Amino acid sequence: QVQLVESGGGVVRPGGSLRLSCAASGFTFSVYGMHWVRQAPGKGLEWVAVLGHDGGSEYYGDSVKGRFTISRDNSKKTLYLQLNSLRAEDTAVYFCVRDKDSGYLDYWGQGALVTVSS
Amino acid sequence: EIVLTQSPATLSLSPGERATLSCRASQSVGSYLAWYQQKPGQAPRLLIYGASNRATGIPARFSGSGSGTDFTLTISSLEPEDFAVYYCQQRGDWPSVTFGPGTKVDIK
Repeated sequence: QVQLVESGGGVVRPGGSLRLSCAASGFTFSVYGMHWVRQAPGKGLEWVAVLGHDGGSEYYGDSVKGRFTISRDNSKKTLYLQLNSLRAEDTAVYFCVRDKDSGYLDYWGQGALVTVSS
Repeated sequence: EIVLTQSPATLSLSPGERATLSCRASQSVGSYLAWYQQKPGQAPRLLIYGASNRATGIPARFSGSGSGTDFTLTISSLEPEDFAVYYCQQRGDWPSVTFGPGTKVDIK
């Protein structure tokens, strides 16, 4: 069965950095695009970034553009999100999500909590 | 950026009743719209994609309709496990993706 397991969340100070990882199993990771979606406490869903199956195409939401970087290692079946210049408003659960078909999100991990606080 | 609005914000219904949730886009997204269900403490689950196609394993009581700017998610007869928050999501201006603010379906 498809599994996506995020790790790397934690507490970080404003201006700091963090790297999230997402380990994939149960499907051929290298043929699927992958997304990160976040959810601030008690709030709705916000799309963060998407990366093509071969790592060749990456796109970001306006609120994270220039600060976050999505990447992947298909040999390790792992997706990453590098979070730099973190702000309090980046506090959220970050979900790793498989792209079913150019923008439909069919399998979600359980999420990793990132808290930005001094 | 395409903005999605959902109504109502909260829908209070009893088990067995019909639920009708609305999603409106600020400009046409064709049929490129999906619906997700999220329960407390859980990740969202894909219900409907392409406006009207049920995802794998989704019961037939869930149906989606609409195109252009106006979309509807209908739950024909609410089961106890259907009380949750529902989000619509567009990929009409792919690779940008946006979500609506959500509709909470709670028990009356």
